[in-house]
Amino acid sequence: KNEVEQSPQNLTAQEGEFITINCSYSVGISALHWLQQHPGGGIVSLFMLSSGKKKHGRLIATINIQEKHSSLHITASHPRDSAVYICAVRSYGDSGGGADGLTFGKGTHLIIQP
Amino acid sequence: KAGVTQTPRYLIKTRGQQVTLSCSPISGHRSVSWYQQTPGQGLQFLFEYFSETQRNKGNFPGRFSGRQFSNSRSEMNVSTLELGDSALYLCASRVAGAYEQYFGPGTRLTVT
Repeated sequence: KNEVEQSPQNLTAQEGEFITINCSYSVGISALHWLQQHPGGGIVSLFMLSSGKKKHGRLIATINIQEKHSSLHITASHPRDSAVYICAVRSYGDSGGGADGLTFGKGTHLIIQP
Repeated sequence: KAGVTQTPRYLIKTRGQQVTLSCSPISGHRSVSWYQQTPGQGLQFLFEYFSETQRNKGNFPGRFSGRQFSNSRSEMNVSTLELGDSALYLCASRVAGAYEQYFGPGTRLTVT
């Protein structure tokens, strides 16, 4: 069982809509990452969180350590936001990903239609 | 500052062959991690190197190995290639002690 679960797996929305992608994890973590992957493969790190909330432009990421849950929000979505969004956690101890390796969710494939 | 670079970007190999992929981290980054991405399994952690030493290893067979040089550049090697090794191989570098990672563009390996 994957220790990092993302929802939804696929999301299609209209330009301008408010987007929420969720991530739940089952292990104790030292940090959680939100990554963006465009067609072609390149991965960009959007946020790294260990508590609270971060905002960058139209993107907002929150984390609730007690509930083991994080959300990525996109406000005023645009077609250029179309990409796969991946949640990844850096866990304490060895849980398959290693003490310093990342364990990834399966990703959310987001399509924003004009 | 230049980003993480990976060579080659694309590679086609035959079953049973071996392959070596290269990763040059951002200048000053001494930690390099390798990841495999497949449609079925998604992204999975392979191993991490720091100062020429392997610090952590994911759940991959011994056919997957790596090393890091004194200039922090890293290579990974896959021996006796199988069809299932077809994947995008990504490396990422970070400053020692920091959590933020910076990813390279990846090497897409196709095994026929």
